[in-house]
Amino acid sequence: DAGITQSPRHKVTETGTPVTLRCHQTENHRYMYWYRQDPGHGLRLIHYSYGVKDTDKGEVSDGYSVSRSKTEDFLLTLESATSSQTSVYFCAISEYDYEQYFGPGTRLTVT
Amino acid sequence: EDQVTQSPEALRLQEGESSSLNCSYTVSGLRGLFWYRQDPGKGPEFLFTLYSAGEEKEKERLKATLTKKESFLHITAPKPEDSATYLCAVQAKNEKLVFGKGTKLTVNP
Repeated sequence: DAGITQSPRHKVTETGTPVTLRCHQTENHRYMYWYRQDPGHGLRLIHYSYGVKDTDKGEVSDGYSVSRSKTEDFLLTLESATSSQTSVYFCAISEYDYEQYFGPGTRLTVT
Repeated sequence: EDQVTQSPEALRLQEGESSSLNCSYTVSGLRGLFWYRQDPGKGPEFLFTLYSAGEEKEKERLKATLTKKESFLHITAPKPEDSATYLCAVQAKNEKLVFGKGTKLTVNP
């Protein structure tokens, strides 16, 4: 998986609780992305980063925030989880905002 | 708005039975078209990038082709281990990747 790890790999949480997912890369790529994947939808971009402390919104950013304090780490936070955020979350990296390489995913269930 | 449509949604083949998957797209200024393979419970695995109409790329039993409106992923003499969901994505200039919903391929022995 191109030197990308995600943690946790599985999480069950209750509605209204905060949740943070972590993506860690060892490739020193500039760009990092968070996607969610749901049945009936393609992968949808939540947020992305183009450098340390440089982030921007994607297609489905409502209810999510991100932070990137180091090149290798990109955090996705759900401030107050809702059942609609039950999904599989993938992190991806890219050297030039072009070909992207994906992590193994985090399965999040909000009850 | 950039759009990607993949067909069929699902395809069942017998081992050795060649076929093609389709990815139709509308985008303003194509920067690249990407094919990924995704196995159950795993992240998408990068396969190919195509840059311009007429381009072809091959990897083992897979060959990807590109026209101005669509891309095909040709699978020659598939094996059961080729079973997976194949994803297509396009990127316009100064835009982010847009993914299709995928084609689930099952190859029976």
